[in-house]
Amino acid sequence: NAGVTQTPKFQVLKTGQSMTLQCAQDMNHEYMSWYRQDPGMGLRLIHYSVGAGITDQGEVPNGYNVSRSTTEDFPLRLLSAAPSQTSVYFCASRVASGNTIYFGEGSWLTVV
Amino acid sequence: KNQVEQSPQSLIILEGKNCTLQCNYTVSPFSNLRWYKQDTGRGPVSLTIMTFSENTKSNGRYTATLDADTKQSSLHITASQLSDSASYICVVRGSNDYKLSFGAGTTVTVRA
Repeated sequence: NAGVTQTPKFQVLKTGQSMTLQCAQDMNHEYMSWYRQDPGMGLRLIHYSVGAGITDQGEVPNGYNVSRSTTEDFPLRLLSAAPSQTSVYFCASRVASGNTIYFGEGSWLTVV
Repeated sequence: KNQVEQSPQSLIILEGKNCTLQCNYTVSPFSNLRWYKQDTGRGPVSLTIMTFSENTKSNGRYTATLDADTKQSSLHITASQLSDSASYICVVRGSNDYKLSFGAGTTVTVRA
């Protein structure tokens, strides 16, 4: 059981470049979300989705786009990378009625 | 202001000793509180989930307590092992709200 799979694990971008962080889950979970984790701060919600075709903004959505064309996939797009987006990104999923959240292994992004 | 505050920020203990981590929250109304363990370079993994009516829940050597009246929770680690070295994150969910409030975490280092 793969769970929540994120790629890439590490990425270095130049300011202004765009890229997509991939997230896939094989547990048929309705809810998927993206968080960023910065030193000394709790995880902050970027965007989330409650099902295919439905997305919504979280706490820190600026500079990021998401889409949910299938139940399995929830990519996060950085439109024009900025040094402030240097962070560790986590994708997560859960069933609609469940309390347990399953996190991916994280993607370390550095913007120079 | 973060709705979930954890203390201490970090601690070092000797292998075999016990320790207690604290979590204070202001989220209201309250649905449930979770403790996650995050190993270095990995995603968070659920340890315990407690609802309003639960006071104590154990998972092996980890015991979580909850006082919903004072909005405080603690995570007690018994007979610590080197593998307990990790960051422990307190997460609170409000009622009827998909969004979660994350603490910044307590970093525990267990030394031989």
